Amino acid sequence: SQQGEEDPQALSIQEGENATMNCSYKTSINNLQWYRQNSGRGLVHLILIRSNEREKHSGRLRVTLDTSKKSSSLLITASRAADTASYFCATDGEAAGNKLTFGGGTRVLVKP
Amino acid sequence: ETGVTQSPTHLIKTRGQQVTLRCSSQSGHNTVSWYQQALGQGPQFIFQYYREEENGRGNFPPRFSGLQFPNYSSELNVNALELDDSALYLCASSFSSGRAPTGELFFGEGSRLTVL
Repeated sequence: SQQGEEDPQALSIQEGENATMNCSYKTSINNLQWYRQNSGRGLVHLILIRSNEREKHSGRLRVTLDTSKKSSSLLITASRAADTASYFCATDGEAAGNKLTFGGGTRVLVKP
Repeated sequence: ETGVTQSPTHLIKTRGQQVTLRCSSQSGHNTVSWYQQALGQGPQFIFQYYREEENGRGNFPPRFSGLQFPNYSSELNVNALELDDSALYLCASSFSSGRAPTGELFFGEGSRLTVL
């Protein structure tokens, strides 16, 4: 079963625009992570936000976490064609034995 | 480059056969997690090995088994292959203290298994 669910499932934007995707989860968590996957490749870690944090930045990435709503968002600013990929949120909570469980992902297409 | 290598990269098997997939962890990591990713889906947790012992298992049948070796490399074995086992199998290494919350995972490029 998947703890996190991303929304939207797919997103198409022009280069230079911002991309926002959301993740909702069901049970309490220790932390939430976002990963990126280029087509058919391995996943690459982007950012980790702990349950006691509300916002975190890394380069053009901004992640927010609202534990009261059990949701997170990932914002990619000034998108580039190279940002075209699938983005997954992942959570680890006691319900999953502290193991990382992934959502279904958001497929982002950045058109040049 | 994460330093995690998987082999083989692609393989084709027939239903009922057995397969072994291999993973070499990043140096300094003591934990290996295996995930199954069907086409268009998110990765599904199969199991995790910590210091050569299974340390958590997802909703997969016993025909999915694994090993972790003293050098922290790992194998995933799948017996009696079924068509639905066709997927990308991802290995991820990390450093942990066993029961602690999971930190960053370092993924290999995966082994794509096709079952005919």
